[in-house]
Amino acid sequence: DAGVIQSPRHEVTEMGQEVTLRCKPISGHDYLFWYRQTMMRGLELLIYFNNNVPIDDSGMPEDRFSAKMPNASFSTLKIQPSEPRDSAVYFCASSTRTGDNYGYTFGSGTRLTVV
Amino acid sequence: QQPVQSPQAVILREGEDAVINCSSSKALYSVHWYRQKHGEAPVFLMILLKGGEQKGHEKISASFNEKKQQSSLYLTASQLSYSGTYFCGTATGDRGSTLGRLYFGRGTQLTVWP
Repeated sequence: DAGVIQSPRHEVTEMGQEVTLRCKPISGHDYLFWYRQTMMRGLELLIYFNNNVPIDDSGMPEDRFSAKMPNASFSTLKIQPSEPRDSAVYFCASSTRTGDNYGYTFGSGTRLTVV
Repeated sequence: QQPVQSPQAVILREGEDAVINCSSSKALYSVHWYRQKHGEAPVFLMILLKGGEQKGHEKISASFNEKKQQSSLYLTASQLSYSGTYFCGTATGDRGSTLGRLYFGRGTQLTVWP
């Protein structure tokens, strides 16, 4: 298995531009999570899906952020318009229940820089 | 609801032992442990469920004290490859919701020197 695949790995954009981050979870995993990591706030959960349905989006900072999961193999996180304070590493992770062992598998992350 | 980790940083020589602690103000159902190397994604180490169990993974093991709402990660005879930042992630709620929100601590940076 190729693991959780995120693209792009790095994104540099100007303030005000739209940014779209992409994620392909591990096949068969029915949970998908979007996290943001910064030095100031650590790892923050933004939103998570179960069977493609958003379950909890209370971590989404504001209306500028939106996430979709149109099918079991693809999810996007969109920021429009982007601001410098959105600069962070964004991780996608997937998981499923297998007995008592259901750790998250994280993708390699997208390092976003908004200038 | 973010768990508190201690210490913030540990410096060891190869072969020495370390303990990393994770405590929560909320009742916990499960605790996850992850290790993240610089510039990489966090990697899952183990999960502990309520019931006060202890788990082992090579020379890395962990315990979970449900009553104290605490978990500890034990690294024995540390190796250079153990260097990285260790995060605990905590989940509350019943078994049905345990794959819901996972709150991560701020991390403990572990450095192992030869």
